[in-house]
Amino acid sequence: GENVEQHPSTLSVQEGDSAVIKCTYSDSASNYFPWYKQELGKRPQLIIDIRSNVGEKKDQRIAVTLNKTAKHFSLHITETQPEDSAVYFCAASLMLIFGTGTRLQVFP
Amino acid sequence: DVKVTQSSRYLVKRTGEKVFLECVQDMDHENMFWYRQDPGLGLRLIYFSYDVKMKEKGDIPEGYSVSREKKERFSLILESASTNQTSMYLCASSFNRGVYGYTFGSGTRLTVV
Repeated sequence: GENVEQHPSTLSVQEGDSAVIKCTYSDSASNYFPWYKQELGKRPQLIIDIRSNVGEKKDQRIAVTLNKTAKHFSLHITETQPEDSAVYFCAASLMLIFGTGTRLQVFP
Repeated sequence: DVKVTQSSRYLVKRTGEKVFLECVQDMDHENMFWYRQDPGLGLRLIYFSYDVKMKEKGDIPEGYSVSREKKERFSLILESASTNQTSMYLCASSFNRGVYGYTFGSGTRLTVV
């Protein structure tokens, strides 16, 4: 089955800096890769996703890149703001298998 | 907006009790899932269902069972609650097999004492 690894587990950045979270997956048949943001005490919310026929997708300050050959994908947040502070989860596969999460802290 | 509603936000049960966690979605989604969330372990899949009366084991089904008698409702059952089942439980639903992202419920924080 699919196995998803996510790094780092915690990430602290200064406001305005960029943040990058990386995930690797094991099943080459996986073709859907969403990212979820979970604020403290709230449910995970889908923030961006990418399918295997696309290498990069952007939505304002967030972007996701996918390297199918290397089986890894990354979330990029530019110009980070305090409200970006949350736990971020990557996922892969038709049956979503989640990474263990990255706690991002953005310091003003 | 799709709504996924979990019946309880917080629940405290005693060891050995039978516990029911209910999840209802209102958008006619075929797929429903139960995850548990623990610090450092992320979201782990317990059971899922692609259709009424259909269920499949996820990664950690031991100690749990599920029921899906109606399309909109997916119940997680702890047959005999134990302290290691103290966790946050999240229900999710989706329109199709991973083609679209999931919509999560608000979660049920279960404490077994």
